[in-house]
Amino acid sequence: GAVVSQHPSRVICKSGTSVKIECRSLDFQATTMFWYRQFPKQSLMLMATSNEGSKATYEQGVEKDKFLINHASLTLSTLTVTSAHPEDSSFYICSARVRAGVTYNEQFFGPGTRLTVL
Amino acid sequence: AQSVSQHNHHVILSEAASLELGCNYSYGGTVNLFWYVQYPGQHLQLLLKYFSGDPLVKGIKGFEAEFIKSKFSFNLRKPSVQWSDTAEYFCAVNVNNQGGKLIFGQGTELSVKP
Repeated sequence: GAVVSQHPSRVICKSGTSVKIECRSLDFQATTMFWYRQFPKQSLMLMATSNEGSKATYEQGVEKDKFLINHASLTLSTLTVTSAHPEDSSFYICSARVRAGVTYNEQFFGPGTRLTVL
Repeated sequence: AQSVSQHNHHVILSEAASLELGCNYSYGGTVNLFWYVQYPGQHLQLLLKYFSGDPLVKGIKGFEAEFIKSKFSFNLRKPSVQWSDTAEYFCAVNVNNQGGKLIFGQGTELSVKP
């Protein structure tokens, strides 16, 4: 149980285009989904916290107009990188927190999406 | 601001050696503590977690960690590593009053020589 999927697994796009990444909790309902960015050989940096039905909360330094997050249901959150530039190339990882129960407050991670902007 | 510090950037061990990876955090309130592992090309997997109770927690694959509140530490241990333990290890802290978000350490790359 507690599987999180991401789509696509990798994407290559041209500079200036927008890219949408989906994060789905497959077998549970998630109160909250988180979006992280991971640079090579570095740790995960939290970008934003996404609660179903409400606006995302962005971490300091993360541009909300550039990284649009939509959390339309308890099983789906999307991250759209708008007007992507080469510096946005990175590994984007989502996680989902279980709605309730003994595993509350534990996050389950998706496999990540490798974005390359040319 | 809260932070998590992992002391070792890269650890190289031979099979059967014992492992201890350090993790310290800076926050004085209630925390939940986690160790995640990321095998090459794979997603993060939870090794173990501490929410409350016995400060010595056991996880999967023979790993354990000890929460020492006075030292703000949550070190990961394994008595005898295997080649298959080669991976990146991340310590993470969840601060209870911050909506469940995780703060990650820098990660420790473990290389186990066969």
